[in-house]
Amino acid sequence: DAGITQSPRYKITETGRQVTLMCHQTWSHSYMFWYRQDLGHGLRLIYYSAAADITDKGEVPDGYVVSRSKTENFPLTLESATRSQTSVYFCASLGGLNTEAFFGQGTRLTVV
Amino acid sequence: EDQVTQSPEALRLQEGESSSLNCSYTVSGLRGLFWYRQDPGKGPEFLFTLYSAGEEKEKERLKATLTKKESFLHITAPKPEDSATYLCAAQRGYQKVTFGTGTKLQVIP
Repeated sequence: DAGITQSPRYKITETGRQVTLMCHQTWSHSYMFWYRQDLGHGLRLIYYSAAADITDKGEVPDGYVVSRSKTENFPLTLESATRSQTSVYFCASLGGLNTEAFFGQGTRLTVV
Repeated sequence: EDQVTQSPEALRLQEGESSSLNCSYTVSGLRGLFWYRQDPGKGPEFLFTLYSAGEEKEKERLKATLTKKESFLHITAPKPEDSATYLCAAQRGYQKVTFGTGTKLQVIP
């Protein structure tokens, strides 16, 4: 199916473990993003990518790592999960500059 | 620092009762103002983009307007299926997008 998909939808992990959230889009969009959404905060940008092998930090990058070896995939890794990283994570893509973003359905991550 | 403030935080309407949601922004060099709808457990879904003050866009019962300091989402004769959280976002670059915290709308039959 065309679109942007995230996996897993739900994840519970322990403090200190490494966890990777996956994002896949079928449009060949150049720009991809990772956001987190927490109560009382708007969506906050973690990392973004303008193209394969080009990534950069957003507003809240600490504790996260990304890679983009292929245009369609943009995984987000929490190297050593902390409770403060409990959140809902959204991946998004842009078809072009200053256009609307298309969001995945989100991954709800709980760190215990 | 870019700021986007949405009000009210929550709004409860009777079916057919029209109202407006507000999005105030402080962003220098605004490139676009976006409205999204978010249903529980789902990602935001695009509704509108506004690029310049005075611009208006409509879709079914929704109409978005933009001034130099704020945007409004007007909902005319809402139905229960319009219940959702509405997010606005101000953009000054493809990687410089600031989201508001949203207005949670409940439309009661």
